[in-house]
Amino acid sequence: QQQVKQSPQSLIVQKGGISIINCAYENTAFDYFPWYQQFPGKGPALLIAIRPDVSEKKEGRFTISFNKSAKQFSLHIMDSQPGDSATYFCAARPPANKLVFGAGTILRVKS
Amino acid sequence: EPEVTQTPSHQVTQMGQEVILRCVPISNHLYFYWYRQILGQKVEFLVSFYNNEISEKSEIFDDQFSVERPDGSNFTLKIRSTKLEDSAMYFCASSEVAVYNEQFFGPGTRLTVL
Repeated sequence: QQQVKQSPQSLIVQKGGISIINCAYENTAFDYFPWYQQFPGKGPALLIAIRPDVSEKKEGRFTISFNKSAKQFSLHIMDSQPGDSATYFCAARPPANKLVFGAGTILRVKS
Repeated sequence: EPEVTQTPSHQVTQMGQEVILRCVPISNHLYFYWYRQILGQKVEFLVSFYNNEISEKSEIFDDQFSVERPDGSNFTLKIRSTKLEDSAMYFCASSEVAVYNEQFFGPGTRLTVL
C-alpha cells in the first residue's frame, strides 16, 4: 500500500505549547520519512527527515519520533510560535524516486 | 541560496487547450520531479526524470502529459488537451541525487482550466 495516513486534519495550539502531528504507513519498503512545511502560496519546504534505522531526530524545536514496529512516525513542535502556523505534510519514500505525501495538517498557533 | 523557480505563477486556460509549465531546477541537481496539489488536497507525485528520460510516473501521468528538458536549464510539463480536473497547483522539484536526498520544491504554478 503506497499510502501515508496523517492526523489530525487541523490543529490549534496555544503559543508556547507542543504541536503533535501523527502519520502511519503500511509499506515496510518505505526508507525515508521527511516532514514538509507549506505556507500559503508557497511550495513545500523540507523541515526535518528521518531514516528507519533511527528512532528519534531533533533539530531545534522540531523532533521526529519514529516507531518502526508500529509503522508510525510523528512530528513534535516544541514551544510552538505563531510563525509556525502553516500546513504540515508527512511523506515517505519507497525505494523509488518519488515521495508519497500524507493529507496534510493545518496548524494554527494562537498568540 | 539556490532555489527552484517556476513560471508562470498562474495560468488560466480553456478546456482542450495545451499548456506548458516551466521550471528551472537548481543548477547542480540531476533528478527532476513534477507533483500536483488539487486545492485542499495532498501533494501527489506525477513523474520523475533523470538522464533525459522518465524514471517513474504515476497513474495520473497519462498520455496527455509529457515532460521535457529542452536545454540545460529548463524542465517542462506539457498537458496536451487540458480538462477541468487538471486544475491544480503544479510543483516542480529537484534533488542532487536520488537516495535520501532532499527534494527542493518550487513555488508552484496554479493552473485553472475553464
